[in-house]
Amino acid sequence: EVQVLESGGDLVQFGGSLRLSCAASGFTFSNYGMTWVRQAPGKGLEWVSVISGTGGSTYYADSLKGRFTISRDNSKNMLYLQMDDIRAGDMATYYCARGPPVGINLWYFDLWGRGTLVTVSS
Amino acid sequence: ETVMTQSPATLSVSPGERATLSCRASQSVSNNLAWYQKKPGQAPRLLIYGASTRATGIPASFSGSGSGTDFTLTISSLQSEDFAVYYCQQYNNWPLTFGGGTKVEIK
Repeated sequence: EVQVLESGGDLVQFGGSLRLSCAASGFTFSNYGMTWVRQAPGKGLEWVSVISGTGGSTYYADSLKGRFTISRDNSKNMLYLQMDDIRAGDMATYYCARGPPVGINLWYFDLWGRGTLVTVSS
Repeated sequence: ETVMTQSPATLSVSPGERATLSCRASQSVSNNLAWYQKKPGQAPRLLIYGASTRATGIPASFSGSGSGTDFTLTISSLQSEDFAVYYCQQYNNWPLTFGGGTKVEIK
């Protein structure tokens, strides 16, 4: 089955760190760009970051100001999001999603996971 | 940043009726516009990309139109499973941006 499955969401203290993971299956992971998108409670979708199929190119939302790092391990079919200096505004459900095939620069997302919840405590 | 504005915020529609959702970009995004459906507790679902191309498995009751700055998602005859929140997303300019969403609720 073609799917992506997020994990790693947890209760984390303000200023702490957390690493989210996304396991991909059913497709050739290295052939696709990937993204993280988040949704705060009661709010809309917010794009966080993307990474190319090779991992050589990454982009981030300006609001993150260098606190998050996206990465991937194509040998394990895994996508990651390292979150540092976590703030109250980072509390959200984080979704990973599949982007375009390598060589295609059209960043819409056709396969999504159910998300993993990050809760921030003070 | 390209700001995406969706209207209305909430749309009350009776089953079987047509729903028309709007998405406006603060600058041109050409036809690089996608629509997603989101239900509570579920993964977002891609409906439309390229402003008007239905994604795999999406019924013909969903259609998209527009280019440049003004886009429309039309659901021709609302079924019970179509009541959800709908988001547009532009992928023409960085950073990628989503609209605030339109909630389609049962009238």
